[in-house]
Amino acid sequence: GQQLNQSPQSMFIQEGEDVSMNCTSSSIFNTWLWYKQDPGEGPVLLIALYKAGELTSNGRLTAQFGITRKDSFLNISASIPSDVGIYFCAGSVSGTYKYIFGTGTRLKVLA
Amino acid sequence: EAGVVQSPRYKIIEKKQPVAFWCNPISGHNTLYWYLQNLGQGPELLIRYENEEAVDDSQLPKDRFSAERLKGVDSTLKIQPAELGDSAVYLCASSFQTGRPAPLHFGNGTRLTVT
Repeated sequence: GQQLNQSPQSMFIQEGEDVSMNCTSSSIFNTWLWYKQDPGEGPVLLIALYKAGELTSNGRLTAQFGITRKDSFLNISASIPSDVGIYFCAGSVSGTYKYIFGTGTRLKVLA
Repeated sequence: EAGVVQSPRYKIIEKKQPVAFWCNPISGHNTLYWYLQNLGQGPELLIRYENEEAVDDSQLPKDRFSAERLKGVDSTLKIQPAELGDSAVYLCASSFQTGRPAPLHFGNGTRLTVT
């Protein structure tokens, strides 16, 4: 099935470092979502974006809706061990409630 | 509010056997999704319901998969017969869609192993 491209695929960082990841699409989206998934659990919503250029924060997390409407970015500041997990982006095609997910970015934090 | 509830959490069956998964969405959510998640990949949509109507089932392998959402609340996803390649996590999600697309809320999934 169709999936969005996420980059990087995986990251190993030191505790306290900042993290950046992105998601790109060939289609224009009207909504971008960012999720975190821990092993054995379902994805948990982190941030929702609804407007091109929108910048939204949730604690140490900040996400942006790209101005082309074909990409989105997630930043995590001052990472901590519990940030470990897989981060997924998801986009909704304009005019539908259908969400397409990215391939995921696996984050590992070294204490 | 209670989250999306899925059962069972784990299921191990032999190939060619039938299997069914159940999902209870968040109360009041009108839209329900079934996603398939293979190991190391993102979720892929199988079917989407708006109330009791399946509005997008283009990715559902209809020769062996079926789904229903009676009364627009709970939903079941069935596979008959199961194949080895069906081993994956089956995720259910729900949302309340009114206009602007609303975020999905996921259950913890059912991990299916076909031997």
